[in-house]
Amino acid sequence: DGGITQSPKYLFRKEGQNVTLSCEQNLNHDAMYWYRQDPGQGLRLIYYSQIVNDFQKGDIAEGYSVSREKKESFPLTVTSAQKNPTAFYLCASSIEGRGTEAFFGQGTRLTVV
Amino acid sequence: GNSVTQMEGPVTLSEEAFLTINCTYTATGYPSLFWYVQYPGEGLQLLLKATKADDKGSNKGFEATYRKETTSFHLEKGSVQVSDSAVYFCALSGHTNTGNQFYFGTGTSLTVIP
Repeated sequence: DGGITQSPKYLFRKEGQNVTLSCEQNLNHDAMYWYRQDPGQGLRLIYYSQIVNDFQKGDIAEGYSVSREKKESFPLTVTSAQKNPTAFYLCASSIEGRGTEAFFGQGTRLTVV
Repeated sequence: GNSVTQMEGPVTLSEEAFLTINCTYTATGYPSLFWYVQYPGEGLQLLLKATKADDKGSNKGFEATYRKETTSFHLEKGSVQVSDSAVYFCALSGHTNTGNQFYFGTGTSLTVIP
């Protein structure tokens, strides 16, 4: 089955620690995205990547970092510089072209303890 | 710039009631429009889409028509079921020189009671 896999589903982090969220897709999509979702709010774009070894900051990139070494993988690191990291994180991918939709993973809920 | 504004919730309806969730957009160029649905603790799933003016997207009894003159893409369903309880997001995509960008509304929570 083709799709996007995010892991883990739940993640707990101590303050001051970096943590990496995994996102893998087998849809052969060029573009991948990371969004943050807070209760009662929409999705805010953190980073996106259109091709391997290239990525751009979204609206709320501060305190986050990404890499895109393989087409299938787009991990997100939440660093200790992110002051309020507790949130639901969603990874998505799409093919290039007008009218194509984004496909989403199941999300990772990160909680700082 | 691009943005999406959708009806604030929460919305509570009785089973078999008619549903409308309003969505309006601001965009440069010719965006594509989408409705996504999110169930608790899950990611977003595409519900329907429309890629040009006057197109109607439909799926599982839900419909939305791309209205360029009113910059709207309202979601409708004639008879809701308890299983339709979820959060609904309106979204648009615009193609730029850095690829597709997606813009989402804040979501509308729907609860359907038996």
